[in-house]
Amino acid sequence: GIQVEQSPPDLILQEGANSTLRCNFSDSVNNLQWFHQNPWGQLINLFYIPSGTKQNGRLSATTVATERYSLLYISSSQTTDSGVYFCAAPGGSNYKLTFGKGTLLTVNP
Amino acid sequence: GAGVSQSPSNKVTEKGKDVELRCDPISGHTALYWYRQSLGQGLEFLIYFQGNSAPDKSGLPSDRFSAERTGGSVSTLTIQRTQQEDSAVYLCASSLGQLDGYTFGSGTRLTVV
Repeated sequence: GIQVEQSPPDLILQEGANSTLRCNFSDSVNNLQWFHQNPWGQLINLFYIPSGTKQNGRLSATTVATERYSLLYISSSQTTDSGVYFCAAPGGSNYKLTFGKGTLLTVNP
Repeated sequence: GAGVSQSPSNKVTEKGKDVELRCDPISGHTALYWYRQSLGQGLEFLIYFQGNSAPDKSGLPSDRFSAERTGGSVSTLTIQRTQQEDSAVYLCASSLGQLDGYTFGSGTRLTVV
């Protein structure tokens, strides 16, 4: 099945800093999603981005499908950005998402 | 409703008992998924429902696990004869179609003692 690898595994930032999270996947995909799991466990869909670039406020994502990677940019980080960021892609189907192990982000005040 | 609703939010059960977990997806979403999240295992796919098609049960870890979706809406995940290794957070998600973003519920934290 598809392999989804995320880096870095952990990241500590001071409030206001920018960061880039990376997701590599082992096969071509037509569905890639980024999620944020907050400290209370709720998973929030940030982006559905099989290709191209999208922006939502301070967050943006870029997927280069031909090179099998996606990047999540967080600008002017806030303490509420803390949590685990997951990327997920389907392994051999359009629907069964395989999740990476996540990046644990801690934003300190 | 506005989001995916799961109940109960927490469940503590004795080893060997059966449990039922419920998921109420977003109205109009044809696709429904169950995942499990446990320490050290990440997020594991369990089962997928799409409209009236036969469900994809390939992720169910054993025959003690079963799920159904009635009327293309509410889904229940049943675990029979629970074991301690079943302890995890069970997450339900729905999407408009196969190529749409998932919306997750808040999950059911299951603890088997």
